[in-house]
Amino acid sequence: GENVEQHPSTLSVQEGDSAVIKCTYSDSASNYFPWYKQELGKRPQLIIDIRSNVGEKKDQRIAVTLNKTAKHFSLHITETQPEDSAVYFCASYRVGGTSYGKLTFGQGTILTVHP
Amino acid sequence: KAGVTQTPRYLIKTRGQQVTLSCSPISGHRSVSWYQQTPGQGLQFLFEYFSETQRNKGNFPGRFSGRQFSNSRSEMNVSTLELGDSALYLCASSLDRAGANVLTFGAGSRLTVL
Repeated sequence: GENVEQHPSTLSVQEGDSAVIKCTYSDSASNYFPWYKQELGKRPQLIIDIRSNVGEKKDQRIAVTLNKTAKHFSLHITETQPEDSAVYFCASYRVGGTSYGKLTFGQGTILTVHP
Repeated sequence: KAGVTQTPRYLIKTRGQQVTLSCSPISGHRSVSWYQQTPGQGLQFLFEYFSETQRNKGNFPGRFSGRQFSNSRSEMNVSTLELGDSALYLCASSLDRAGANVLTFGAGSRLTVL
């Protein structure tokens, strides 16, 4: 089945620095890649997603890049702020197949932004 | 617009008991998925329902079951609880239309098995 590897497991940065989290997926048929942010004790919330027909997507300080050939995608956060501190999960999904509702998640990255 | 609502938010059970968790999706969303979140295993897919039919199932034992009602509300049941079933159970809903399969999660039901 599909597997998603996420690195690093923990990431500590100073406020204002950039943070990069990388994920690699195994199923070449995967075509939808969301990123979720989960603050302590709260629900995972979608922060950005990308579909396989584009290579990059940006939303203010957050961007995601996708390399279909290498089967990896990355989350980039610029000008980090303490409120960016959370656990970030990448996921993969195959739209149009029979994987109804089944996102395959990476193990998560604990991001800590120090003031 | 109300989000995904899960009840109860917290519950404590003992081994051998059974538990039922409830999920009300966003209005208009017909697909409901369930996930188990634990520190060791991360987020694991349990099953997905659409129009009262289970369309997909993850690798969990038969003690884990679910159903969906005609109003799209869903329940999941875990029978003969084990200590390892302690987890945050998350429900997510989506429109399930082409290009609109974004999952929105509820706050979860935190189950502790003693």
